Amino acid sequence: KAGVTQTPRYLIKTRGQQVTLSCSPISGHRSVSWYQQTPGQGLQFLFEYFSETQRNKGNFPGRFSGRQFSNSRSEMNVSTLELGDSALYLCASSRGLAGVVEQFFGPGTRLTVL
Amino acid sequence: AQTVTQSQPEMSVQEAETVTLSCTYDTSESDYYLFWYKQPPSRQMILVIRQEAYKQQNATENRFSVNFQKAAKSFSLKISDSQLGDAAMYFCAYNNQGGKLIFGQGTELSVKP
Repeated sequence: KAGVTQTPRYLIKTRGQQVTLSCSPISGHRSVSWYQQTPGQGLQFLFEYFSETQRNKGNFPGRFSGRQFSNSRSEMNVSTLELGDSALYLCASSRGLAGVVEQFFGPGTRLTVL
Repeated sequence: AQTVTQSQPEMSVQEAETVTLSCTYDTSESDYYLFWYKQPPSRQMILVIRQEAYKQQNATENRFSVNFQKAAKSFSLKISDSQLGDAAMYFCAYNNQGGKLIFGQGTELSVKP
């Protein structure tokens, strides 16, 4: 069974631009969560989607948004990029509600903002 | 708010020896889950072990075991017979069934041959 895939793997943008990251969960998984990883702040929860509904949201500004499609694939969008948005963005999927069952992580998308 | 603390930024162990990584957490919840994740240089997060708070028995997975002390809010990871492939960043994480994993700052483990 294929694992969680994230595209693109690497991305370079400039300040003020916007970016969309994609996550394809493991087949049959209905929950997708997003995390931001930086050297200074560590791993921080962005949001979780289950069956196309946002179930939880972390403490990030409104520039960070996401959505989930009927096939459980999820996208994350960051508008008006800032230098501090440079990070590794990790996506995780789970069969049921995240937290109750195991989450499987993708390889991440490395975003660099210049 | 729940917090997770890993007080050891770096640890080192000799191959074949045993090492223990520390983790403490703070919560007012009674039902929750605790995890140890491993992140090697490839950055792929891998679940090492999981503990349900309602279970008194400590979880074990082959060479990995935990010491879960609910009253003390402590959740340490013991790696026995350490191997070179165990070298990685290890994260302790908490989840209250709300879908949000709260991670500690991580402990970088190096394994010396």
